Amino acid sequence: ILNVEQSPQSLHVQEGDSTNFTCSFPSSNFYALHWYRWETAKSPEALFVMTLNGDEKKKGRISATLNTKEGYSYLYIKGSQPEDSATYLCAFRYGGSQGNLIFGKGTKLSVKP
Amino acid sequence: GAVVSQHPSRVICKSGTSVKIECRSLDFQATTMFWYRQFPKQSLMLMATSNEGSKATYEQGVEKDKFLINHASLTLSTLTVTSAHPEDSSFYICSARGTGPNRGTQYFGPGTRLTVL
Repeated sequence: ILNVEQSPQSLHVQEGDSTNFTCSFPSSNFYALHWYRWETAKSPEALFVMTLNGDEKKKGRISATLNTKEGYSYLYIKGSQPEDSATYLCAFRYGGSQGNLIFGKGTKLSVKP
Repeated sequence: GAVVSQHPSRVICKSGTSVKIECRSLDFQATTMFWYRQFPKQSLMLMATSNEGSKATYEQGVEKDKFLINHASLTLSTLTVTSAHPEDSSFYICSARGTGPNRGTQYFGPGTRLTVL
């Protein structure tokens, strides 16, 4: 059974704090790792798609790294803002471009002003 | 970016009734659409994959006669929960994968909260 684990389950930080979450996934048959940002009552928004070991991607204050050999990815948020409050999902795609996405349960981030 | 709409956003129905959920790709053609279900504090679980014009492929444990999927056009897929029961209460969310520049990326709708009384 393919399993994707995310930690922590939830996180409360103050505005201005930097934070990071972890996504662990199977290291075999890897194709891609996706990060999504999901605000309540909205559609999950694609943040990053990462495919290569050692990949680092950045979008504004948010960045992500990928280690396919050991099966983990980190998502970093620098200087958290209240608008960053959301659930961050990672999803592992295996077997090729047409493979299914296996999702983690997400990390729920709350940023207090 | 690509937009996927889903309707309705919330539905409450009596046990035994059928409920239809629509998923539309608004600005791109979706050759493949996916239906997921999420129970409280759980991850999104794939129910079925549908390709335009062909029968859906269901994941193990998902009853195809209960969850009817129709993908009649490149912009519309529907999920019908037939004879719904309280245990079908869940959050249902669709996703669409496009062609060309959108190929390989899955875009999600906002989801439908189904409550069966």
